[in-house]
Amino acid sequence: EIVLTQSPDFQSVTPKEKVTITCRASQSIGSSLHWYQQKPDQSPKLLIKYASQSISGVPSRFSGGGSGTDFTLTINSLEAEDAATYYCHQSTSLPHTFGQGTKLEIK
Amino acid sequence: QVQLVQSGAEVKKPGASVKVSCKASGYTFTGYYMYWVRQAPGQGLEWMGWINPNSGGTNYAQKFQGRVTMTRDTSISTAYMELSRLRSDDTAVYYCGGANSGYAPVDYWGQGTLVTVSS
Repeated sequence: EIVLTQSPDFQSVTPKEKVTITCRASQSIGSSLHWYQQKPDQSPKLLIKYASQSISGVPSRFSGGGSGTDFTLTINSLEAEDAATYYCHQSTSLPHTFGQGTKLEIK
Repeated sequence: QVQLVQSGAEVKKPGASVKVSCKASGYTFTGYYMYWVRQAPGQGLEWMGWINPNSGGTNYAQKFQGRVTMTRDTSISTAYMELSRLRSDDTAVYYCGGANSGYAPVDYWGQGTLVTVSS
């Protein structure tokens, strides 16, 4: 089973700041890494697929990068509505796995 | 628009079974795999498996092998996830999600179904 490790677990940030969340895989997963945003009491929402592909309707301040074992989710010019927990997900091999999550708090 | 509507909250006793449904609309039901993901209170996301609604083929995470059964009824565009021999640590919100293959991201999510296991 592929283990995904996110860092940090928690980050407190101010609006307009730039945030980078990392996701490291225990073995190479190519580009089959996806990012989700989950707000309290809501279902997850797909933000980025296949490491860097944008999703229709998702603000352009969200971007992704990386391949192999190291991936990043970047949020440029953070907004108050971005307060949420972010998860990475690998779909290269079965079973699929998720990172443990990164909680973003907006100061 | 695509919608996945799940059945309501359940309270079960340890040892019982629960069956959660997920009704799809707004797309061709057999064209999207249905994933099941759960989230224990205050915890992260855990992948349980998927069903291919076209063939009925399934793939389950080893952790749930022998306890989980995923099925579908194409006539009513509904997928089901049944979990048996429930334990207290099965208390979680269970989500269904649509993906365009068994190796893809989840494009669409249901609203979640809270299953509480308590004596």
